[in-house]
Order: sequence, then structure tokens, then C-alpha cells
Amino acid sequence: DQQVKQNSPSLSVQEGRISILNCDYTNSMFDYFLWYKKYPAEGPTFLISISSIKDKNEDGRFTVFLNKSAKHLSLHIVPSQPGDSAVYFCAASGHSGGYQKVTFGTGTKLQVIP
Amino acid sequence: DAGVTQSPTHLIKTRGQQVTLRCSPKSGHDTVSWYQQALGQGPQFIFQYYEEEERQRGNFPDRFSGHQFPNYSSELNVNALLLGDSALYLCASSYNIGLPYEQYFGPGTRLTVT
Repeated sequence: DQQVKQNSPSLSVQEGRISILNCDYTNSMFDYFLWYKKYPAEGPTFLISISSIKDKNEDGRFTVFLNKSAKHLSLHIVPSQPGDSAVYFCAASGHSGGYQKVTFGTGTKLQVIP
Repeated sequence: DAGVTQSPTHLIKTRGQQVTLRCSPKSGHDTVSWYQQALGQGPQFIFQYYEEEERQRGNFPDRFSGHQFPNYSSELNVNALLLGDSALYLCASSYNIGLPYEQYFGPGTRLTVT
């Protein structure tokens, strides 16, 4: 039962252009959505989050959009830089047994071409 | 301030053996979660420890067990290893009452079962 889905395993974008990474979820009880970035040989690092009561959150070049009716969120990176090349995980947080539990998607590998 | 550290970095074991992985949380964090990331997949939640007790568990068999010590460090034990246990094992630490995005990951332990 994959509650968080990233249907694009990979994405290539030219430097300077916009990167759009997509994520779908099935559980309407999730209350936080997060994006993590992962380089090889490192653990995931938190990038940006959005509460389920918001529809947009922006942090510098990164913006996350949430469409609750469609159970869809997206991460926009503008402008894309070669250092953004990494695997991006979408994750969702909800309460399970009284505690927060984070569920991850399968990841999208972004390659930014110089 | 050291972040989350894990040991060993890599490990090769034979089917049927037992393995112990170790994690030291970020300074000040009191909660440790363990995740399994198989090749091409996102991190899957194994369990979470707080106050030396397992308080949440994902969909993993009893062969997976853990421990948390008074200094908040943690161990993950896997018994009767199967080939399918080959994965990157990630430890994440957080505050007990922290928000979902306030979770910091270690670099992981790469376990190979032959």
C-alpha cells in the first residue's frame, strides 16, 4: 500500500530552467508534507515542508504547492543549478498511534545539465 | 555540533547471520527512528525509540529489533538475515515533541547479505 507516490523516477533539466517534481498521496489524514534531498553516500536532508492547511510555501529558489482536492503536491526549483542534482523524496506526516509517522515516496532523481 | 552518526558504514553478512547497527543522535535529540531503504525505493519506517522504549513500529517482522540507551543512542538488530534485507539502513533523530521536518538523518549503513 504505497500511500505516497512519485511516478517519475528521473528528470533532466537544463541549468537555469525550472524543475518540477511531482508527488501524489492517498491518505487525506496527512497533516504535513515534506521534501527531502539526498546525495549519494549521505542521508536525506530536509528541504522544505508545507502544512496541510496551506497551499503554497516558498523558500528561496524552492516552492512547494499543495492541491488537497487532487491529493497532489509539487516542488518547483527556479532557477535549477547543477548542485541541485540529487534524489528528491516526497514525504508525508500523520499521526499513528498518537505519534507522528513519516511516509516516504520512492524518489525522483533530478539531473541538472550545465 | 556533530550530527547523526552511524556505524559501520558498510557491512557484508551471510544469510542466517545476525547483525547490529549503531546510531548516535544529534546532540540534544531524544528520539531515534530507523528506516530501511532498499534499492530504488524510499525509506521505509522500521520503528521509533523514545525513553528506551519502542513506541511505534512499521510493517517489519520480529527479526528486526532495537534498543535505546540512556544516552539516547540506539541499536538496530536483525536476526536470521535474508537476501532481501540488503539495503541502506538510515537512522534519524528528533525531539520528542518536534515537528515532522525536525528530523535529521545519518549517512546510513549499507548492509549486503550474500
